[in-house]
Amino acid sequence: QKEVEQDPGPLSVPEGAIVSLNCTYSNSAFQYFMWYRQYSRKGPELLMYTYSSGNKEDGRFTAQVDKSSKYISLFIRDSQPSDSATYLCAIGRGAQKLVFGQGTRLTINP
Amino acid sequence: DAGVIQSPRHEVTEMGQEVTLRCKPISGHNSLFWYRQTMMRGLELLIYFNNNVPIDDSGMPEDRFSAKMPNASFSTLKIQPSEPRDSAVYFCASSLMDGNEKLFFGSGTQLSVL
Repeated sequence: QKEVEQDPGPLSVPEGAIVSLNCTYSNSAFQYFMWYRQYSRKGPELLMYTYSSGNKEDGRFTAQVDKSSKYISLFIRDSQPSDSATYLCAIGRGAQKLVFGQGTRLTINP
Repeated sequence: DAGVIQSPRHEVTEMGQEVTLRCKPISGHNSLFWYRQTMMRGLELLIYFNNNVPIDDSGMPEDRFSAKMPNASFSTLKIQPSEPRDSAVYFCASSLMDGNEKLFFGSGTQLSVL
């Protein structure tokens, strides 16, 4: 079993839809939960960062962590074509030991 | 800040040749990471340095891979000899590691070994 599982998609939704992306993990010691966005031919860029549990909101993006279920989610409201990218979850005990998910390829159709 | 700078952006080489990838981290960051990304295996950590010292190289696939960080502003990842299965995108990332565990990635080097 992989330490971090993420559905690779692809996921295609119409503009304006709410997008839900998620990952599961196996190690209960993990405390850092991040979402990175990667555009084609670019490096991953940090989108959301959560330490421990709970929710975090930033504009149209909301990150949720459920440590009891070992499950994290990223919600995108009012999705835009510019949100089309690959989204990677990254989970671990610190930056030096982050485990990345496979990434979910998302397309927002105008 | 210019961000993490990697060179070259693309590298095409023949099997058996030596390949050297370069990275300049963000000024002031004290940790540097080398990752490899493939469709099959996703993003994998190869090695990371803290204050220019290699801390964990358990992700380095084999002895053909080596990495150095001679100073705080430069690191290299070398593959010698290269093999077709080394074809991937190699990313360098840096971090301040002050309790804020955010990684900042470069644009990557697309390596093709023929």
